[in-house]
Amino acid sequence: EAGVAQSPRYKIIEKRQSVAFWCNPISGHATLYWYQQILGQGPKLLIQFQNNGVVDDSQLPKDRFSAERLKGVDSTLKIQPAKLEDSAVYLCASSLDPRLAVQTQYFGPGTRLLVL
Amino acid sequence: GDSVTQMEGPVTLSEEAFLTINCTYTATGYPSLFWYVQYPGEGLQLLLKATKADDKGSNKGFEATYRKETTSFHLEKGSVQVSDSAVYFCALRLFGNEKLTFGTGTRLTIIP
Repeated sequence: EAGVAQSPRYKIIEKRQSVAFWCNPISGHATLYWYQQILGQGPKLLIQFQNNGVVDDSQLPKDRFSAERLKGVDSTLKIQPAKLEDSAVYLCASSLDPRLAVQTQYFGPGTRLLVL
Repeated sequence: GDSVTQMEGPVTLSEEAFLTINCTYTATGYPSLFWYVQYPGEGLQLLLKATKADDKGSNKGFEATYRKETTSFHLEKGSVQVSDSAVYFCALRLFGNEKLTFGTGTRLTIIP
């Protein structure tokens, strides 16, 4: 079974530029999550999708971050404009429909972003 | 709010030593508890979990017991190997909410 795929793996940009990350979850997984992991900290949930609807985006900085999952499969996370403090690893995770039972979240390898 | 506090690293041990990584939590409800591991260059992987008090999660020789009275979920292994070198994260999830709340992670290095 293929895991969660993310691209790119690394990205370096200057502040005020824009950047986009892509995630392809495990086939059949209804729920998709984006986490931000700043160096030395644990991952923090940015947004959770159930199919193509947003379940929780309470910690997403909506003035500069946006995310979509238009067809309920792949997802894109965008930052525009980027700030220095956005330097982090962005993790995508997916799980089967949590409404059915407690589900395990499976994580991708992450995209490491450096903002200069 | 809900939070997880885990032992600060880095932790360096010799091969075959006994390992304990402490984890305590604060939660308003009844959380499920998890240990995730992140090997170099890889994504987070679920190591073990426990969904109610007194449950013991185990995998790959690692164990952790959900202690409600001490709000703890300490990770243990009797004899570590070089291949156990990784960053370990303790996390909780409240009932009815899929969001994982993570600790800051503990970097473990095992020397031969």
